[in-house]
Parts: sequence; structure tokens; C-alpha cells
Amino acid sequence: EAGVTQSPTHLIKTRGQQATLRCSPISGHTSVYWYQQALGLGLQFLLWYDEGEERNRGNFPPRFSGRQFPNYSSELNVNALELEDSALYLCATPRGLAALSTQYFGPGTRLTVL
Amino acid sequence: AQTVTQSQPEMSVQEAETVTLSCTYDTSESDYYLFWYKQPPSRQMILVIRQEAYKQQNATENRFSVNFQKAAKSFSLKISDSQLGDAAMYFCAYRSAEGAQKLVFGQGTRLTINP
Repeated sequence: EAGVTQSPTHLIKTRGQQATLRCSPISGHTSVYWYQQALGLGLQFLLWYDEGEERNRGNFPPRFSGRQFPNYSSELNVNALELEDSALYLCATPRGLAALSTQYFGPGTRLTVL
Repeated sequence: AQTVTQSQPEMSVQEAETVTLSCTYDTSESDYYLFWYKQPPSRQMILVIRQEAYKQQNATENRFSVNFQKAAKSFSLKISDSQLGDAAMYFCAYRSAEGAQKLVFGQGTRLTINP
């Protein structure tokens, strides 16, 4: 069983541009969580998708958005990039029965905004 | 809202010795889950151990064990027989049993293993 995959590994953009990050959950699992890990900080919850719908979002501005596709892969879009958006973006898939589940993480995408 | 606090930004231990990483959390919920994740230089987040709040017995996974004190809202991680491969950032995380079930993380503790 393949784990959570993310692409690209690294992404370099300039201020004002848009970034698109991708995540594929563990096969057969429908939920994807996105987290941001800015330099020197812990992980902050960004977005939760399940069954193709956005279910919850963290305290981030609307220029952070995304979607989930019928195959349950997900995209995270960051518009009008700012320098402080530079961070490691991680996605995770829960495994196990819903209330008992544990989240397993992908390798992350390192976004650098110049 | 729930919060997680790791008061030790950095810890170091000699190889083969035991080290304990501290974590406290704040919640008004009675049913929840607690986790320790490890993040080595590769940046991959790896699950170390998890604890269900309804279980009184402390979780153990080989050399890793926790001391879960629900009343004190404390969740420490003990690493026995420390190995060089244990060097990493360690994050304590909280998850509600209901709702969005997002993870709430502490700020992390950087663990160094001295040979």
C-alpha cells in the first residue's frame, strides 16, 4: 500500500504569484488534511477535505484554498504569495476508524517565496 | 480552543541513556487522543506513539513510552536506550474525538543524541 505522496518536493515562486501543491492520500482513503509548518514554528492546520468537500479550515486568509478530486487527491492553492508563505506544507491522511484514526503524513512540499 | 505546549525547545542526551520530553495541553473535552510525532532532518513526520484519553494505561512502543496524566493534562514521552537515529524534532499533538479531528501541535522539542 503506497503512502501519502506530495508534489512537487520544492517550489520557488516570487511575491504575488500563485502556487499549486498536490497531495495524494493513501489508496482508498477519502480524507486529506493540509498543514503549514513555517520556519521555526509548529504545524498549523490549514484545510480538511473529505469526500470531495471542504469540511473545515484553519485561521488562514481566503487566498489559501484548495479542492479535492473524485480520486480523493487534493490541491492546495495559494494566491497572491507573500514572503511569509514560505514554509513546508504537509498533507496527511487518517487511517483507521474515524474516531480512532491516526493521521499519516506525506513528505511535504517546501515552498519558497522570493 | 485546545492548545498544546512543549516547554523544552531543545534537549540533549547521551547515547544509550534515557530522556523525557514534556508536553502539556489545555482542553475542556473529555474524549480525545494524544500523539507524539518525530520529524528527522528529512522533514518526514513519523508517528511515534499515540494515547487514547479514555485509557488509563500508558502507551508503549518498544523503547518509547508515555506518562499520561489526564487530570494534570500532561503527556510526556520517555525514550529509553537513546540511539543516534532518535535525533529529530519531536512534536506533541492533540486531536479531538469529534468534529474536524484536526491535529493541534506543540512548538516542538529538538532532541540531540550525543555519541
